[in-house]
Amino acid sequence: DAKTTQPPSMDCAEGRAANLPCNHSTISGNEYVYWYRQIHSQGPQYIIHGLKNNETNEMASLIITEDRKSSTLILPHATLRDTAVYYCIVGSSNTGKLIFGQGTTLQVKP
Amino acid sequence: GAGVSQSPSNKVTEKGKDVELRCDPISGHTALYWYRQRLGQGLEFLIYFQGNSAPDKSGLPSDRFSAERTGESVSTLTIQRTQQEDSAVYLCASSLQGSSGNTIYFGEGSWLTVV
Repeated sequence: DAKTTQPPSMDCAEGRAANLPCNHSTISGNEYVYWYRQIHSQGPQYIIHGLKNNETNEMASLIITEDRKSSTLILPHATLRDTAVYYCIVGSSNTGKLIFGQGTTLQVKP
Repeated sequence: GAGVSQSPSNKVTEKGKDVELRCDPISGHTALYWYRQRLGQGLEFLIYFQGNSAPDKSGLPSDRFSAERTGESVSTLTIQRTQQEDSAVYLCASSLQGSSGNTIYFGEGSWLTVV
């Protein structure tokens, strides 16, 4: 599975958009980009995933560059409850090896 | 239930004892995964079951660790002769069988403390 690179931490003001970047320059053609988050002591929560096209759901939007070497997770209106560790993962659920890195700790501040 | 269910939610055991952790995947999900997360660290892949295929055990850290799955339902992770280094939260996840891009859903984990 391809490796991802994320900034270790970010701050965001409550009510503003949070934009979390991820680099995955070694991604292969059939690998998806997944985003999960983990709020203290809880199991990872699925947010969104995509292959080539941008994706949007009720939680977030995922913007994938045309060359697929990077992506951005957008939380449109961050709340204090969005404070968590956000993981960007590249892989196929078929292999069973979604490899989690250290993620980005997002701190939403009032 | 609607989600992945794990039990026990918390377990304290003495060093050297065996423990069993149980996972009930989402109904209809044929793929099942176990991960381990030590305090303050990321998730480590342990094992993966997909239908009737041989499981991928490449992440198991030692022969003290084993896992079984009954058909396409319940899975049990067993840790024999527990050590203090085994203290962690053990996370189970499941997903639908099929092509790439299936969502993996996680349970809330079983917190294991070895004293």
